[in-house]
Amino acid sequence: SQQGEEDPQALSIQEGENATMNCSYKTSINNLQWYRQNSGRGLVHLILIRSNEREKHSGRLRVTLDTSKKSSSLLITASRAADTASYFCATDAARGQFYFGTGTSLTVIP
Amino acid sequence: DGGITQSPKYLFRKEGQNVTLSCEQNLNHDAMYWYRQDPGQGLRLIYYSQIVNDFQKGDIAEGYSVSREKKESFPLTVTSAQKNPTAFYLCASSIDTGNTEAFFGQGTRLTVV
Repeated sequence: SQQGEEDPQALSIQEGENATMNCSYKTSINNLQWYRQNSGRGLVHLILIRSNEREKHSGRLRVTLDTSKKSSSLLITASRAADTASYFCATDAARGQFYFGTGTSLTVIP
Repeated sequence: DGGITQSPKYLFRKEGQNVTLSCEQNLNHDAMYWYRQDPGQGLRLIYYSQIVNDFQKGDIAEGYSVSREKKESFPLTVTSAQKNPTAFYLCASSIDTGNTEAFFGQGTRLTVV
């Protein structure tokens, strides 16, 4: 399986602090995506970064990609209680489907 | 509203029964996917379809079956051969496979009683 691994598994921070989570994957990719999941709900797409990109921003989100290390990081700046959720990275596979990591559970304490 | 709809939200099944989970999208997406999520776990791919009348097995297809007779619909049947079916099932769609974002339904929580 090409499934990625997020690190840490769980993260707890105070509101206003930055949250950083990492994703490592096993094989070459065309792109990497980050998704968010609130408890008991479906996933929501956050950002997509292509293999020829190194960094991408969207609002309070900053994603980096290092293809030589097969890793990506998601930074959420100035976190809010509403950011509390699980965050997953997803990579594309040779046959075109998405493979998801195991997720980072983020808790933002008001 | 455009989107992807899963039903029912909660489903209870007796051991030995087959059940079918519904997934409908009106986004005109070619690709559709079924994932299984166990508590505190990531998503594991069950089946995916890149086009109508075609589907491929994912990593954990045993005990499951799908059909893709219409572009909008990708139902998943959990058969009695699936030994541990209690889980949260997520359906997703995308314009095509791999290189675009996936849109997810709200999930179906299946419990075997």
